[in-house]
Amino acid sequence: DQQVKQNSPSLSVQEGRISILNCDYTNSMFDYFLWYKKYPAEGPTFLISISSIKDKNEDGRFTVFLNKSAKHLSLHIVPSQPGDSAVYFCAASMPAGGTSYGKLTFGQGTILTVHP
Amino acid sequence: DGGITQSPKYLFRKEGQNVTLSCEQNLNHDAMYWYRQDPGQGLRLIYYSQIVNDFQKGDIAEGYSVSREKKESFPLTVTSAQKNPTAFYLCASQDSLYGYTFGSGTRLTVV
Repeated sequence: DQQVKQNSPSLSVQEGRISILNCDYTNSMFDYFLWYKKYPAEGPTFLISISSIKDKNEDGRFTVFLNKSAKHLSLHIVPSQPGDSAVYFCAASMPAGGTSYGKLTFGQGTILTVHP
Repeated sequence: DGGITQSPKYLFRKEGQNVTLSCEQNLNHDAMYWYRQDPGQGLRLIYYSQIVNDFQKGDIAEGYSVSREKKESFPLTVTSAQKNPTAFYLCASQDSLYGYTFGSGTRLTVV
């Protein structure tokens, strides 16, 4: 049962244009969402996150939008640069209680290619 | 510099052999995780540990074992019972309620 889904395995955009990566989730208990970026043969690195009490979070060229009613989030990259070419994973976490940490559930990833 | 170190970066194993992947962190994080990455499948949780001497199975624990004798170390053993061990393995640690720090991964290939 895939609770976090990224239905587009790949996305190709031109340099300078907008990249939009999408992610859907099924579990309404998720309260925190994150995007990670991963280059080949390396570990993922944190990109941006959003709490379920917000619908938008912006950090430089990166903006994450959350639509709770649709259980959908998206990552916008504007303008896209060739160095943004990587695999992007969305992840979700449930509330952590007491000393319990919220482990992350990841989507399948989307390969973004930005052409010069 | 604080971080997570996974070793080795590449590992080859003969069928029927057990092999242990190392994961060490000096971030003083309590929680540590092992994920497996396969093409088109994203990151799937194998085992996790929230405190020393305690660990829990993840979604795909069969054929794997772990130990957490020290806060800094969370080694993963891929046993001969794991039917498809060839994959990219990622270790992560977690300090705050949200967000991981990942290691650089180990590519395991069965020959």
